Amino acid sequence: AQRVTQPEKLLSVFKGAPVELKCNYSYSGSPELFWYVQYSRQRLQLLLRHISRESIKGFTADLNKGETSFHLKKPFAQEEDSAMYYCALGASGSARQLTFGSGTQLTVLP
Amino acid sequence: DGGITQSPKYLFRKEGQNVTLSCEQNLNHDAMYWYRQDPGQGLRLIYYSQIVNDFQKGDIAEGYSVSREKKESFPLTVTSAQKNPTAFYLCASSPPRQAAGLFFGEGSRLTVL
Repeated sequence: AQRVTQPEKLLSVFKGAPVELKCNYSYSGSPELFWYVQYSRQRLQLLLRHISRESIKGFTADLNKGETSFHLKKPFAQEEDSAMYYCALGASGSARQLTFGSGTQLTVLP
Repeated sequence: DGGITQSPKYLFRKEGQNVTLSCEQNLNHDAMYWYRQDPGQGLRLIYYSQIVNDFQKGDIAEGYSVSREKKESFPLTVTSAQKNPTAFYLCASSPPRQAAGLFFGEGSRLTVL
């Protein structure tokens, strides 16, 4: 069975500080991993995906298969990064339904 | 303006009544999904459909029903059999490439009184 764990429900950091949102997954096959973000009063949207190895809004995430983790990182947090972040896992070769973690509410303090 | 439209945004119903939430997309996506979002639980998949006239149960399908008669539309009915229907419901769609991810609607908040 697929499972995604985000151990922190709430995370607060000061502006300019580094931020790391943790995500661990459980899946026996080859995973596809995503980070989604929901800003206040906006719809849930894709932030980044591991397969693209991209940096979006200064965020990066590296898939670590040994530790089954996909932590989201940013070296210098900004106030506009305050949002709810969800890690999601897709099973390779399946239909495109995703399993989501419970989310982490990030607050960047001025 | 392309995207996914959910209606209504807010809905109040009495216990025992069936409720249908609308989801329409003009992105020409084949796959559509319904998720339920509860505080502290993230998103849980209710139903999904990969193609017209076909749909599959997700993790929490009990008490819900769907139809997919048109590519653009994937309505969700919350039946009286759903024991805890008060929640935020999100509709999503996706293109063929899984790596493109899901595109979400703005959601519908259902409150059962």
